Amino acid sequence: NAGVTQTPKFQVLKTGQSMTLQCAQDMNHNSMYWYRQDPGMGLRLIYYSASEGTTDKGEVPNGYNVSRLNKREFSLRLESAAPSQTSVYFCASSAPRVLAGGEQFFGPGTRLTVL
Amino acid sequence: GQQLNQSPQSMFIQEGEDVSMNCTSSSIFNTWLWYKQDPGEGPVLLIALYKAGELTSNGRLTAQFGITRKDSFLNISASIPSDVGIYFCAGRIQGAQKLVFGQGTRLTINP
Repeated sequence: NAGVTQTPKFQVLKTGQSMTLQCAQDMNHNSMYWYRQDPGMGLRLIYYSASEGTTDKGEVPNGYNVSRLNKREFSLRLESAAPSQTSVYFCASSAPRVLAGGEQFFGPGTRLTVL
Repeated sequence: GQQLNQSPQSMFIQEGEDVSMNCTSSSIFNTWLWYKQDPGEGPVLLIALYKAGELTSNGRLTAQFGITRKDSFLNISASIPSDVGIYFCAGRIQGAQKLVFGQGTRLTINP
């Protein structure tokens, strides 16, 4: 099992460029999440998908869109990147709460710099 | 939104010392989780707690779910260099899908 995988690991964009961050999990989890991590800010939820076919906004959704492509894959898109979106992005997944208490498992992260 | 207060924000200790950190909330949680993040990596789950008063150990790590359900603490005994990293608490209120994360405690160990 690879767990949660993310691509790319590093990315540099110019202001206004677009890109999609990819995430996949092989644990048969129903729920998937996108977070951003900034120094001193901890982890902030951008969007999440409780199950295939549904997505919901988190704490900081502005400037992002998501797609739950299937049960395994959840992508995050920046349509027009801004310097304020320079951050480390983490994808996570979890099994249903009734089975696993909401434990989330994280990928290795994508380090994004917007110039 | 929900907030968790995690303290201390940073710790500088000698190898072999014990470590204690905690998280408090104004809300009642029914799940508490503790994660560790190594530099350049994603957070890794250390301990999960599901019942008020629960005390759970994972090697040299011990965590407790507070009786009031508004706090949790993590202890590390006899610290070693590989304990260096950032420790996060996370909680989930009843019925919620999302976790709320603390700001993290950065642990530095002097050999």
